[in-house]
Amino acid sequence: EPEVTQTPSHQVTQMGQEVILRCVPISNHLYFYWYRQILGQKVEFLVSFYNNEISEKSEIFDDQFSVERPDGSNFTLKIRSTKLEDSAMYFCASLMGGALRNYGYTFGSGTRLTVV
Amino acid sequence: DQQVKQNSPSLSVQEGRISILNCDYTNSMFDYFLWYKKYPAEGPTFLISISSIKDKNEDGRFTVFLNKSAKHLSLHIVPSQPGDSAVYFCAASARSNYQLIWGAGTKLIIKP
Repeated sequence: EPEVTQTPSHQVTQMGQEVILRCVPISNHLYFYWYRQILGQKVEFLVSFYNNEISEKSEIFDDQFSVERPDGSNFTLKIRSTKLEDSAMYFCASLMGGALRNYGYTFGSGTRLTVV
Repeated sequence: DQQVKQNSPSLSVQEGRISILNCDYTNSMFDYFLWYKKYPAEGPTFLISISSIKDKNEDGRFTVFLNKSAKHLSLHIVPSQPGDSAVYFCAASARSNYQLIWGAGTKLIIKP
């Protein structure tokens, strides 16, 4: 069964450092997402990406965040200067067009980001 | 602004019995509702969905009921099995986009 792959599974970084979280979505999917879940809190939408551009972003997704799909397969989330409150599980998800109806998103296993 | 609410943080059910997980929403623009299951250290896994044009959708042991007038949906699991122990998230989407708005989740514990 096709999977969404996220690397690394755990990233520890110092406050103020840049991090790049990587995702390989399912190959024929068209929509890509980043969500995060701070420990004990709700899953929060960060950004959606379609047709090589951001289609929607939340208030959380400020200027410190950026996304790229540099080579048609990887989908990356960059945090330019990490803060302590960026510590969370970050989930990548992909969706094949109208498949929300039947299949929902396919999520990766997540990257646990710990900012110290 | 909690557009999707799951008011029970946890639920404990005897194995073999019915588990009922509830979800309320406030945004009348939502027209698609989904349930996801999440184990620790894993990403959410899609379980079942329902369109606003329906009031029930069934898939094996899982049934989702939608009451649009009450803006309420529920997930029924019958019979409950130990492997069902997980956190269950309700999520909603509006036709205008594919972004999901998530509830806070309910931790389901199936007791042997």
